[in-house]
Amino acid sequence: GAGVSQSPSNKVTEKGKDVELRCDPISGHTALYWYRQSLGQGLEFLIYFQGNSAPDKSGLPSDRFSAERTGGSVSTLTIQRTQQEDSAVYLCASSPTWGTTASYEQYFGPGTRLTVT
Amino acid sequence: GENVEQHPSTLSVQEGDSAVIKCTYSDSASNYFPWYKQELGKRPQLIIDIRSNVGEKKDQRIAVTLNKTAKHFSLHITETQPEDSAVYFCAARRRGSSNTGKLIFGQGTTLQVKP
Repeated sequence: GAGVSQSPSNKVTEKGKDVELRCDPISGHTALYWYRQSLGQGLEFLIYFQGNSAPDKSGLPSDRFSAERTGGSVSTLTIQRTQQEDSAVYLCASSPTWGTTASYEQYFGPGTRLTVT
Repeated sequence: GENVEQHPSTLSVQEGDSAVIKCTYSDSASNYFPWYKQELGKRPQLIIDIRSNVGEKKDQRIAVTLNKTAKHFSLHITETQPEDSAVYFCAARRRGSSNTGKLIFGQGTTLQVKP
């Protein structure tokens, strides 16, 4: 079946502009995660959605970052007034319903490479 | 706070040799430890994982060991092949309610297998 998809694959924007990154999780997966990977670095947790529960926003680096998940499926990560330090690959992942034996594995999308000039 | 330390940052081995990557976690409530492989320009792919109720898990040439007392876990790759060359990430996930799904990742190990 289809995996996690993200769009756009690449985004170049000028400093100060707003950007929106999109994630389509695997159908039926109720958990969705956003991570950020800077060049040569590990993955940094940003935000986590699980069903109708309040999202875990503990990883968002500043109030310029926000995310929403509409209808329990597609998610959008928004970065306002982008800065050069926001340049990174933004990865989305999804996992099955919590409580099932398969619920631990996170399936990653291909990422969006964001470059802020 | 939650933290995962991974060593070494780079590892070069000859084809056929073994490779070992080690991680240490800080949160004693962690109960799930996956390892991801990321090839250049590709997405991370889960290669093996272990839960806190077991000490070792093996899948062909790959094995993971967990020492809960010391809060260490390690990835072992035997009979390495050039296609094993990639960046490997360890991660830890905290036990808890359904609202604690985030993975805390190590900084990654770049493995180079020389033919």
